[in-house]
Amino acid sequence: NAGVMQNPRHLVRRRGQEARLRCSPMKGHSHVYWYRQLPEEGLKFMVYLQKENIIDESGMPKERFSAEFPKEGPSILRIQQVVRGDSAAYFCASSPPYWASYEQYFGPGTRLTVT
Amino acid sequence: DQQVKQNSPSLSVQEGRISILNCDYTNSMFDYFLWYKKYPAEGPTFLISISSIKDKNEDGRFTVFLNKSAKHLSLHIVPSQPGDSAVYFCAASDGGATNKLIFGTGTLLAVQP
Repeated sequence: NAGVMQNPRHLVRRRGQEARLRCSPMKGHSHVYWYRQLPEEGLKFMVYLQKENIIDESGMPKERFSAEFPKEGPSILRIQQVVRGDSAAYFCASSPPYWASYEQYFGPGTRLTVT
Repeated sequence: DQQVKQNSPSLSVQEGRISILNCDYTNSMFDYFLWYKKYPAEGPTFLISISSIKDKNEDGRFTVFLNKSAKHLSLHIVPSQPGDSAVYFCAASDGGATNKLIFGTGTLLAVQP
């Protein structure tokens, strides 16, 4: 049973470009969370999605960031017009419905570097 | 406002001894707590969890203790092994409709052979 998959593992973008980060949840999981880890900090919640629905985006910056989890295919975190402060590790986690389990299972992360 | 705090950035322990990692929280609405282990350049790996209705949960070498009145939890690793060397994150959930996790800043555990 494959774990949570994220790609790319490393992404380098110049300031002003767009970054697209992909996440495929574990088989049987329909809930996806995105977290960001800045250097020397813990993980910070960004957004929670179910298929075709954004449930909670309270941790997402209001501008330039968006997320989706379409009916078919991976979840996408999109960052437009990246700035140096966006450089971080972005982790995706998946879980069964929360009423079944509180545990979230994380992918290996995408390390975004903005030059 | 840091709702989950891990005040020790690092801890060094001899192989075979006990490792005790601590975590404090401020939000009394948190009802589920989890510990994750993270190696460099990898994602966090789930270790063990505890519901707020319990005060202890054990899984092999790992035991988590919860003191609700003190808003404090700890992870005990016995015996510690060199492969346990990693960053350990404490996380909390308020069990609400989203189950988003609030993480501490992590403790780097080094187990010396």
